Amino acid sequence: DTAVSQTPKYLVTQMGNDKSIKCEQNLGHDTMYWYKQDSKKFLKIMFSYNNKELIINETVPNRFSPKSPDKAHLNLHINSLELGDSAVYFCASSPFGTGGPNEQFFGPGTRLTVL
Amino acid sequence: AQSVTQLGSHVSVSEGALVLLRCNYSSSVPPYLFWYVQYPNQGLQLLLKYTSAATLVKGINGFEAEFKKSETSFHLTKPSAHMSDAAEYFCAVSDQGYSTLTFGKGTMLLVSP
Repeated sequence: DTAVSQTPKYLVTQMGNDKSIKCEQNLGHDTMYWYKQDSKKFLKIMFSYNNKELIINETVPNRFSPKSPDKAHLNLHINSLELGDSAVYFCASSPFGTGGPNEQFFGPGTRLTVL
Repeated sequence: AQSVTQLGSHVSVSEGALVLLRCNYSSSVPPYLFWYVQYPNQGLQLLLKYTSAATLVKGINGFEAEFKKSETSFHLTKPSAHMSDAAEYFCAVSDQGYSTLTFGKGTMLLVSP
């Protein structure tokens, strides 16, 4: 009964490779996010999707491409991986409401290490 | 633009002592404020949130936070620390228009016996 799940949990790869991280939520939420947590634990929003549509795209290199096949899934594809991409990537979801921001539910994270 | 400042990257307390984790925010509109906890190798879990109702907000695990507009603060407290409280704590702010969270840099809470 996992709410927000991510695969893989760990990802070790070489510079220049292309990799994907998958995220799924079974909470029926409309909005999903990708966050990056760096080695100093700083969390920063990368993307936000609402009902499969991109609504927020922060200053992220275009090597990063999110894809939402349906509102329960938000995948992150990264091309030409660089050393600086090493981080923990968190997926999150929240219900969409007009009353203001709602609680975001986070996945367990994917630790990406680029060698 | 919104921002969050968490004072102290590490806070150490003894078991049973008061926990106080500080958070100050900057926002051009009335903010929504959150505290999240991250246990080692896990995702973030919501402790509590302020959404302009009561200024004193009670959360899970005995934590509470008080919104003070005059001080632009939203400090997190717990009367008596437990060993299981050792974790990273993040304060976050959001405006009324979007659900995007802007996080502080986090405070690691260390609890000693």
